Amino acid sequence: QQQVKQSPQSLIVQKGGISIINCAYENTAFDYFPWYQQFPGKGPALLIAIRPDVSEKKEGRFTISFNKSAKQFSLHIMDSQPGDSATYFCAAKTSYDKVIFGPGTSLSVIP
Amino acid sequence: NAGVTQTPKFRILKIGQSMTLQCTQDMNHNYMYWYRQDPGMGLKLIYYSVGAGITDKGEVPNGYNVSRSTTEDFPLRLELAAPSQTSVYFCASGKGTPQHFGDGTRLSIL
Repeated sequence: QQQVKQSPQSLIVQKGGISIINCAYENTAFDYFPWYQQFPGKGPALLIAIRPDVSEKKEGRFTISFNKSAKQFSLHIMDSQPGDSATYFCAAKTSYDKVIFGPGTSLSVIP
Repeated sequence: NAGVTQTPKFRILKIGQSMTLQCTQDMNHNYMYWYRQDPGMGLKLIYYSVGAGITDKGEVPNGYNVSRSTTEDFPLRLELAAPSQTSVYFCASGKGTPQHFGDGTRLSIL
């Protein structure tokens, strides 16, 4: 099943708080898991990515946690800022190089 | 430093018309992708290419065609436009995963 599930659909976080977005997959052939950030009227931008042999990857305030046995991964945004308000997509790449996106999470960070 | 350039930015088509969405990248990426994004939805993969002369279907290829004659260009062709093809279309390029996206083509079929 080449599908990536994502939750929540929308998220409101106070400035300085932690934003957490969760994703799950079923296809064990997925071998790369990128996250994208999209601002209104713009194309998505690659934010951070992880391979399934790594349990955690951190870049600045953004951290991916990966649970291979549960087939779940999540994005944590520490010290969330109003400028982080955007739509976030998790994605997964198959061994045939298809990159499938989750449905997205709309994040609003309020002052 | 153009990155991924998509043209046109906006287009209105009548049902049954055809058109080509252009996509060019200047980063010498082998991988290129076409996605469509419907309001409030995620991105659905239409077609992708892992190099010049090689293309493959994505999740929603029906009603579309692509070609990849050069590394730089990856045009998307709509034949017999239908209202269901009203969407925002994004082209992307990368070294194995979409890294850079264009700003999209907003297409309405009336």
